[in-house]
Parts: sequence; C-alpha cells; structure tokens
Amino acid sequence: GAVVSQHPSWVICKSGTSVKIECRSLDFQATTMFWYRQFPKQSLMLMATSNEGSKATYEQGVEKDKFLINHASLTLSTLTVTSAHPEDSSFYICSASRDREQFFGPGTRLTVL
Amino acid sequence: GQNIDQPTEMTATEGAIVQINCTYQTSGFNGLFWYQQHAGEAPTFLSYNVLDGLEEKGRFSSFLSRSKGYSYLLLKELQMKDSASYLCAVRVQTGANNLFFGTGTRLTVIP
Repeated sequence: GAVVSQHPSWVICKSGTSVKIECRSLDFQATTMFWYRQFPKQSLMLMATSNEGSKATYEQGVEKDKFLINHASLTLSTLTVTSAHPEDSSFYICSASRDREQFFGPGTRLTVL
Repeated sequence: GQNIDQPTEMTATEGAIVQINCTYQTSGFNGLFWYQQHAGEAPTFLSYNVLDGLEEKGRFSSFLSRSKGYSYLLLKELQMKDSASYLCAVRVQTGANNLFFGTGTRLTVIP
C-alpha cells in the first residue's frame, strides 16, 4: 500500500497559460500532502503543505497567488501554476503523509515555452 | 531556519563501501530520512532514524547522532545501479511533520 500518483507526468505549455497538476493517494487517505519543486541537479524544495479542507501553508518565498493549491478531498490535492513563465519550468513532486511518513508521487515535469 | 549539508558529489568503485555524510541544524528535530533518487524520478525511501544509533537494512545502513546533528548513509557491496542522488531529509516537529531536504549527494559508481 501507500501509492501516490501524479497527473500529468509531463506537460509543455505556452508562457502565460495555467497548468494544473493532480496528486492522488490511491490506497490511503491523506489529510496532509506536500508539494515540492526540484530544479535540475538540485534537491527538493518544499513549496507548500496542503491540508484537506483548509488553506495551504506556503513556504517563504513561494507566491500563493501564483501556485494555487486545493486539497478538496482526502485523496486529492491539486497544484495550479498560474500564468506560467519559462522560469517555472521544473520537476514538481507531491507527497502524501501517512503514519508520519511521506510517500512520493512520480513527479510532473513542466516545461514552459 | 533549517540547514542541511551533504557533499555534492562522490565517486566509488563497484563492490566497495561508501559513506555519505549529512550534518544538520534544525529547530524541532523529529527524525531523519535518507532517500535515493535516480535522474528524472521521484525519491524512494531508504531509511529512517529518530533515535541515536545504527539502523541496518540489507546493503544500506544509516547512523544518527542527535547531539552532533550528524547522520551518515553507508552503502556496502556497491553495484552500478547504486549510481544515483542520495538525499538526506530532516523532519521538523510541526503539526504537518514537514520534511526539509539537503542538497543531495550525487554518487557515481565506477567499474
């Protein structure tokens, strides 16, 4: 058990458009999910903590109006990158928390042209 | 804030043993994780330490000293497939149990 999926696995979009990334816990309920961003050859950077039924908690330096997070159910959190720009191109990874451990999704590679 | 340091790169020979160190300075320490990450893939869990000492799991072992803010991951009988990045992550004792990652150590195993 403890499988986390992400959709899409990769996406290419034009500058100025918005992109939605879904994170699902397939076989368990997760009241807390996390969103990370990873630039090439760098480590994971926590962007925000997503709590089911309440507002997300953003890390310092992450624009909440640009990276919209919705955790509408115990198995789904979404990250929407609004008005994407080339500098938003990155690998976005979510994780879901169960029994104080985090289980990671496979990641979504976003390329903004 | 959280400060987690690891060497950026290491190279080791197939069949050998390698130790990857991690030092940390965090507030509200609540456990340390090691993850393996191959390029373009999500991290996979290797080990977890919350108390001082050594945790052994097959070819992988992880050690923690909370008083020194220090951990290491030991990989034995290295295989070519062990070439990957190894991420040290510290869990902070907040309501959400956030994980903060070190810079990662890129290990290259050579024949």
